[in-house]
Amino acid sequence: EDQVTQSPEALRLQEGESSSLNCSYTVSGLRGLFWYRQDPGKGPEFLFTLYSAGEEKEKERLKATLTKKESFLHITAPKPEDSATYLCAVQAGNNAGNMLTFGGGTRLMVKP
Amino acid sequence: DVKVTQSSRYLVKRTGEKVFLECVQDMDHENMFWYRQDPGLGLRLIYFSYDVKMKEKGDIPEGYSVSREKKERFSLILESASTNQTSMYLCASTGDRYEQYFGPGTRLTVT
Repeated sequence: EDQVTQSPEALRLQEGESSSLNCSYTVSGLRGLFWYRQDPGKGPEFLFTLYSAGEEKEKERLKATLTKKESFLHITAPKPEDSATYLCAVQAGNNAGNMLTFGGGTRLMVKP
Repeated sequence: DVKVTQSSRYLVKRTGEKVFLECVQDMDHENMFWYRQDPGLGLRLIYFSYDVKMKEKGDIPEGYSVSREKKERFSLILESASTNQTSMYLCASTGDRYEQYFGPGTRLTVT
């Protein structure tokens, strides 16, 4: 069974204080690992897809990396507007219908 | 830009009512999904569809049904709403590289 575990559950940072969010996974043949941002009361917003170990993607202050067992979302010099819940999901290679398995999310709070 | 829309942002229904939640995507995606999201339980897949008139059960299909008569539209039906179906309902569709794009969500309250 595919599993995704995100840590920490919640993270409080001061503005400008860089940190990383972790996503550990077990999956039968990874087809892709996905990061999403979700603001309260809204649907998740797609950020990145990573396909193979060693791959990195960047968008503004966010950088996602992937190993064979986990992914990190690095946040450099965060701002209050980066406050949100960040979700990680995986898709297995033997997956009919392109289903995703989601982690529980990390709630990030950035204080000015 | 991919756009997934849902018919209502907020909905209040009474126990026993039949409830329809509509989802429309404008990117000609083959696959569409319905999730519910509850605090502490995360996103749980209710049903998905990989083609018109095709549907597959997800992890928690009990009490729900779906309809996909046209490629762009995927409907979730609560046959007889119950209070334990109070939740945030999210629709998604799949892009070319397997990432799912989500709608804004419908906050359903059943009283």
